[in-house]
Amino acid sequence: VMTQSPATLSVSPGERATLSCRASQSVISNLAWYQQKPGQAPRLLIYGASTRATGVPDRFSGSGSGTEFTLTISSLRSEDFAIYYCQHFHNWPLSFGGGTKVEIK
Amino acid sequence: EVQVVESGGGLAQPGRSLRLSCTASGFTFGDYAMSWVRQAPGKGLEWVGLIRGKAYSETTEYATSVKGRFTISRDDSKGTASLQMNSLKTEDTAVYYCVRGVPDRIGYFFDYWGQGTLVTVSS
Repeated sequence: VMTQSPATLSVSPGERATLSCRASQSVISNLAWYQQKPGQAPRLLIYGASTRATGVPDRFSGSGSGTEFTLTISSLRSEDFAIYYCQHFHNWPLSFGGGTKVEIK
Repeated sequence: EVQVVESGGGLAQPGRSLRLSCTASGFTFGDYAMSWVRQAPGKGLEWVGLIRGKAYSETTEYATSVKGRFTISRDDSKGTASLQMNSLKTEDTAVYYCVRGVPDRIGYFFDYWGQGTLVTVSS
C-alpha cells in the first residue's frame, strides 16, 4: 500500500514543495512519480525513485529508497499546480498512492 | 511520435460486458508491455492489469479487483491491445487509460498514456 502526504499542499509560486510517499513495505527504488492536470492524462515525471523522465524540468527531483520517498519541486511555477501520484513497481500487484494536490496558496 | 489512443468506452449495465481497444503507434509495439490504468470520477489512479510483450510470452498480471473478470490481450501485427471486461460492476465506472509499460527490474512504470475512454456501469 502506498500512502501519500499531505493530501493537499498549498504553496505560493516560487516556493519549494515537498511531497511524501510511503510504502507499507520496502520497494527498494522501484518507484515512479506522475503529474496529472485537470482533464488530462497523467504524465511520467520520475522513475527509479530519482531519474527524471525525458523533458522533465530539473526543478523536479525525486529521492528516497526502501519505504520513504520524496518528490521536491524546487521553485513552483504556475504550470506545476496539479495532482501528483507515486507508483511502486516492486512486485504484483502494482499500485498508486492516493495523490497529493498541489494548489496555489 | 508515440501515440496511444483508446476506444470502446460507453454505458453498460451491471453484469454485462464491454471491450476496450487501444491503438498505439510511433514505436515497436511488440517490444513493450501494455497496461490499463483506471480513474473513477474524482478519485485517484488504480492499476488494472498488464500484458507483457512476446519476448515474455505475452503473460498477464491483474489487480485483485478485476482478476477473473477482465482479460487483456494484444495483437502486435496491428499495434493494438484490448481489455475485455465481463461481469461489470458499478464500481468499474471510470476513465480507462491505456499506457505503455517500461520494464525496470521486476516491474513496470508507464511512460506514455492515452487520453482515456469513459466507461459507465449503470442500470
